[in-house]
Amino acid sequence: EIVLTQSPGTLSLSPGERAILSCRASQSVSSSFFAWYQQKPGQAPRLLIYGASTRATDFPDRFSGSGSGTDFTLTISRLEPEDFAVYYCQQYGGSPYTFGQGTKLEIK
Amino acid sequence: QLQESGPGLVKPSETLSLTCTVSGGSVSSHYWSWIRQTPGKGLEWIAYIHQNGDTNSNPSLKSRLSISVDTSKNQFSLKLSSMTAADTAVYYCVLGSTGEFGPWGQGILVTVSS
Repeated sequence: EIVLTQSPGTLSLSPGERAILSCRASQSVSSSFFAWYQQKPGQAPRLLIYGASTRATDFPDRFSGSGSGTDFTLTISRLEPEDFAVYYCQQYGGSPYTFGQGTKLEIK
Repeated sequence: QLQESGPGLVKPSETLSLTCTVSGGSVSSHYWSWIRQTPGKGLEWIAYIHQNGDTNSNPSLKSRLSISVDTSKNQFSLKLSSMTAADTAVYYCVLGSTGEFGPWGQGILVTVSS
């Protein structure tokens, strides 16, 4: 099973700042099979990024994903109030398809 | 849209039965998954199914798991046997098989307790 470790666990930033969230895999994952999700309180997760860098249509271009192999990054270029949420990474290169434990992005 | 239904409370050792009703599309046309979320283990993919019979499940749950599709009702279902407190979670039904999951149902909280 591929274990995904996200860092930091909590990130405290102010609106307008840049957020960089990391996800490290226990073994190499094809970038074609790597995703990020956003989850707000009381809601289900929403697909944010797939194929490591392709943004889902619902999300603005301040969100970007990058990475390959075992290291992946989600960057939010300029935080808006609605971006404060929990973000999860996920690999679907090998079964079972696993998620990271999440990074909580909170308002400083 | 996807909507989970089932009991919110299950006794230890009993079998959980959940159903997901699909609206706005055909259950026959896509792969569907169940995913659960707990405070301790986070998000856990449970299994996927397609109406053509293709299925896959998480080895950690496979021995207790049964999933099925009912095209006449436009639904798919999950049965998880021998429930324990560790199975207490929010259970989501989701469009997708391995990743790029979405949309998701609103989720149903299932508590295992006597």
